[in-house]
Order: sequence, then C-alpha cells, then structure tokens
Amino acid sequence: AQSVTQLDSQVPVFEEAPVELRCNYSSSVSVYLFWYVQYPNQGLQLLLKYLSGSTLVKGINGFEAEFNKSQTSFHLRKPSVHISDTAEYFCAVSDRGGADGLTFGKGTHLIIQP
Amino acid sequence: EAQVTQNPRYLITVTGKKLTVTCSQNMNHEYMSWYRQDPGLGLRQIYYSMNVEVTDKGDVPEGYKVSRKEKRNFPLILESPSPNQTSLYFCASSLSQGLDEAFFGQGTRLTVV
Repeated sequence: AQSVTQLDSQVPVFEEAPVELRCNYSSSVSVYLFWYVQYPNQGLQLLLKYLSGSTLVKGINGFEAEFNKSQTSFHLRKPSVHISDTAEYFCAVSDRGGADGLTFGKGTHLIIQP
Repeated sequence: EAQVTQNPRYLITVTGKKLTVTCSQNMNHEYMSWYRQDPGLGLRQIYYSMNVEVTDKGDVPEGYKVSRKEKRNFPLILESPSPNQTSLYFCASSLSQGLDEAFFGQGTRLTVV
C-alpha cells in the first residue's frame, strides 16, 4: 500500500513570489504521481501528472513538478504566483499495477498575500 | 461538455434517515469512485467501481453502500446516517483505475444532526 505526505498544511506566499509545495510518497512498487487543485467551493481538477519519461512535468497555469525517485518526492513549483492560485493542492499516487486507485495526501492550502 | 454531476450540492438531514447522493458521468468512463473530504485528513476513498455491477470497498466504507447498475451512474447510499458522516463528498470518474485523469464532481456537503 502506498502513502502520501504533504508536509505543509498551509503555505503563505506573496504575490509574484515563487512557491514550492512538497510531496513525498511511500510505496514498494513503481508509481504514477499526480497533483490536483481544488479552488474554493469546487471539485478537484488535474494540474499535472507523471507516468514515465522526463522527470520534469509541466502542467496547467504555469505549474511544474519534478519526480525524484531516489528521494521519493514529487514537489510542485511555480516561479511566480498570482492571487488566483489561492487554492488547496493535493498530491496523489497510484501504483503501476493498478491494484489500488488514487491515494491522496492531506492537502496544502496555498495562500497568496497581496 | 464532459462532466461529473452530483446531487444534491448541500444536504442537512437527521440521524437515521436514509439518504442517497446521486452521481452521473457523461464520459463513458468505466471507473468511478466516492471520496469524503474532512479537514486535516484530505480525501479518503469510500467505495469504487471498476465497471457495471463491480464494486469494492475503499479505505472508509463503513456506513455506506453503493450500486452500479448502469455505467453512467454511481449513487452513494447512507442507510442510517450518523453525525460522524458529516463531511464533504466527491464523486469521481476516470477511464481506468489510477492511470488516467480523474474527473470530479462539484461535491456534496452533508450535515447529519
């Protein structure tokens, strides 16, 4: 079984500053990795995913994430945040065998300060 | 437009009164699932279905039932709701389990008093 750790429950950042949201996973098998975003009063939507290939993955709204197998991490980054990026961000993992569905982290609330 | 539709969006009910939250998707997805979202706990899977008439328990199935009689619908049933089932519920669907993008409904905020 896999697990996902998002170390920061809340990250306050000033507008136009860079941000990194951390995600570490634990799994005994190879995994697929995802970042989802939840805007206020909405469902989750996919930001980006890593299945294979290049370890740097680019997603929507200027976000990117880097898969690091040795550190079992999949941190999310954006070089310059906007007030509209205020949301809850969830890292998720599924194992490549497909035995389980998505396992989500507890989420990180990104707060953009003007 | 591809979407997952949940109803109702908001529901307040009393302990023990049976309720059903409906979920419908228009993308012909085989895989559907239900999650509950609680502060500080993230999303936890309640039940999932890999195809019609195939359902299985997720991480927190106690107190819930589901059915998958048609591909597009996956209702969540609370036979006897209790206050600890007060939560935000999401239905999701995807082409496959764990590989493809999951599409989420808008959520159902349930309060059991």
